[in-house]
Amino acid sequence: DTEVTQTPKHLVMGMTNKKSLKCEQHMGHRAMYWYKQKAKKPPELMFVYSYEKLSINESVPSRFSPECPNSSLLNLHLHALQPEDSALYLCASSHSVLQTTSGGRTGELFFGEGSRLTVL
Amino acid sequence: GNSVTQMEGPVTLSEEAFLTINCTYTATGYPSLFWYVQYPGEGLQLLLKATKADDKGSNKGFEATYRKETTSFHLEKGSVQVSDSAVYFCALKGIQGAQKLVFGQGTRLTINP
Repeated sequence: DTEVTQTPKHLVMGMTNKKSLKCEQHMGHRAMYWYKQKAKKPPELMFVYSYEKLSINESVPSRFSPECPNSSLLNLHLHALQPEDSALYLCASSHSVLQTTSGGRTGELFFGEGSRLTVL
Repeated sequence: GNSVTQMEGPVTLSEEAFLTINCTYTATGYPSLFWYVQYPGEGLQLLLKATKADDKGSNKGFEATYRKETTSFHLEKGSVQVSDSAVYFCALKGIQGAQKLVFGQGTRLTINP
């Protein structure tokens, strides 16, 4: 199983709603990521979890709240979003994040299909 | 900091044409380099990767060689197909800040029959 599964695929919400995006992987990866992608742009990193602990928050507004309940699951809780938050939200996973010395290897990220969010 | 520069698109080719998408990078030491592909309405898929100088990554007829001397990782394919139409992202994962995958801006490729 080499998949990262994201649900829902599409989500429409109002600015006062609370919703969650979910991500699951069963590859034994210990690093999980949330990216945001606007149309015709590359993905932008939001959060990184390493061994179920938040290791990077790219100054993301608090209306986005990540959660990593266990090593296979990653959630993104959404509250009081703005229309400009409409985007494709991508989850990814990789083997444990390594700080390597020269010549070392770092593994690729495996991405899910994404959750397309529309905020009205 | 680490950065990736890709040739601007969109790129439009006829089927069976030769493809090159240029990618250059700035990073300390020996980063890992990747090409990801994004088909319409989908997430990103890893196309190929290279982790050290002079490595050649290849997959589905696509190739890219890690050139340390020119800090480049150009994507090539000898004969493109309509099904190759997608957005292609060059990316690197540096030694420092290894948790971050740095993407280029993406190149939209359209192949006409």
